Amino acid sequence: DADVTQTPRNRITKTGKRIMLECSQTKGHDRMYWYRQDPGLGLQLIYYSFDVKDINKGEISDGYSVSRQAQAKFSLSLESAIPNQTALYFCATSDSERGDTGELFFGEGSRLTVL
Amino acid sequence: GQNIDQPTEMTATEGAIVQINCTYQTSGFNGLFWYQQHAGEAPTFLSYNVLDGLEEKGRFSSFLSRSKGYSYLLLKELQMKDSASYLCAVINSNYQLIWGAGTKLIIKP
Repeated sequence: DADVTQTPRNRITKTGKRIMLECSQTKGHDRMYWYRQDPGLGLQLIYYSFDVKDINKGEISDGYSVSRQAQAKFSLSLESAIPNQTALYFCATSDSERGDTGELFFGEGSRLTVL
Repeated sequence: GQNIDQPTEMTATEGAIVQINCTYQTSGFNGLFWYQQHAGEAPTFLSYNVLDGLEEKGRFSSFLSRSKGYSYLLLKELQMKDSASYLCAVINSNYQLIWGAGTKLIIKP
C-alpha cells in the first residue's frame, strides 16, 4: 500500500460544482502539502500545513481551501470548480525533523477535469 | 523573478550516458533537488545537493555549481525504465521550493 494515498484518483466534474480531494498518509510526517501540476509548468504549491493547527497559503491558493483534519489527513476543496482548475493534483509530505530541506514524498496524484 | 530552466525534452540510447542540465535564478539558495517522474505517476526523490561538487548514487550522479547557478543530473548505463521526466527544484532563501517544468527523457533501444 502507498504511504501517501489520494482519493479520488480521477474525477470529472462540471463548472460550479464543489469538489474535495482527500489525502492520507502513514509516514508519520507532520508536514503536508498540496501541489498542482500542469503541462509545461513546474509544480505549483497551493497550500501547506506544518501541523494540525497550521495552514498556510502557497503561490496559487485562490479558488482553493484546505482542511487538516488530523496529522495524517489533509484535504483540498474547490468550492466552485472552473475549467482552468483542470490539472493533476499531488499531495506530499515531509518530515519536520529534516527541516526545510527534507525531501518530499508524493501521493499518486488526482487527475481532475472540470467541464 | 525566480526561474528554473531545463530542456523540455531529450533523447538518448539505451546503454549510453545522458546529462540533463538545470540553471536557476532564485532569491538565495538553500539546496537543489532532482526528482524522477514516470508518466502518470508521482515524482520520486533522486538527489539533494547543497554544496558544490558531484554526488554519486549508483548509475545517477548530480552536480552543483552555486557560483554559476547550475546543476546537472548524469545518468549512466541508460535503461528503458529511465524513460521519465526529471524535475529540478531549488530551495530559495525563504525556504520556498521553486520547481522547473521538467525534462522529458526518451530512451531508444
